[in-house]
Amino acid sequence: QQPVQSPQAVILREGEDAVINCSSSKALYSVHWYRQKHGEAPVFLMILLKGGEQKGHEKISASFNEKKQQSSLYLTASQLSYSGTYFCGTEIEGGYGGSQGNLIFGKGTKLSVKP
Amino acid sequence: KAGVTQTPRYLIKTRGQQVTLSCSPISGHRSVSWYQQTPGQGLQFLFEYFSETQRNKGNFPGRFSGRQFSNSRSEMNVSTLELGDSALYLCASSPARQGGHTIYFGEGSWLTVV
Repeated sequence: QQPVQSPQAVILREGEDAVINCSSSKALYSVHWYRQKHGEAPVFLMILLKGGEQKGHEKISASFNEKKQQSSLYLTASQLSYSGTYFCGTEIEGGYGGSQGNLIFGKGTKLSVKP
Repeated sequence: KAGVTQTPRYLIKTRGQQVTLSCSPISGHRSVSWYQQTPGQGLQFLFEYFSETQRNKGNFPGRFSGRQFSNSRSEMNVSTLELGDSALYLCASSPARQGGHTIYFGEGSWLTVV
């Protein structure tokens, strides 16, 4: 049930763009994105719900393809502060189209932004 | 508004011992989830509590247990510690059970088993 993230790691120069993907084999109710810096707690970035609703930071862009159970996080004009490990968490769809009730996270994508 | 508070932050235990970790959720949050984080494995779901009842459980042995109190504070316990239990244990709280609610993580408890 664990979603698969790709790539596992990416190195960027400041100003470059990156896309992080998250794929599940199960029907999803929602996808959550978090960033974690070394030694710190994961920080919420965005939620994408089936049906198209999104909640999150204005500067973060993401998509959710409900038919393919895939989500992508778009990081544009990267800054040094974007460095960290990005995790997607998925809520599996339960009965009657609701949520099964807990988040399952992928193994993460390590992003390094260099000057 | 205070965030999720976990105690202790760091601890070292010996194989065979047991450990109890504590989590105080954000005020008003009733759902608490626990995750184990180890290098290369990401965040692995342990269990979720809501209204003092365990609602979901991950694929961990019975040595891992937890509970939630009436004030929503939660504890998790690991008995008969093994070296492989060394990890960062993260607690997360949410206003309600999932269904599109944001979960907020604490800074975690670093457990080292020697």
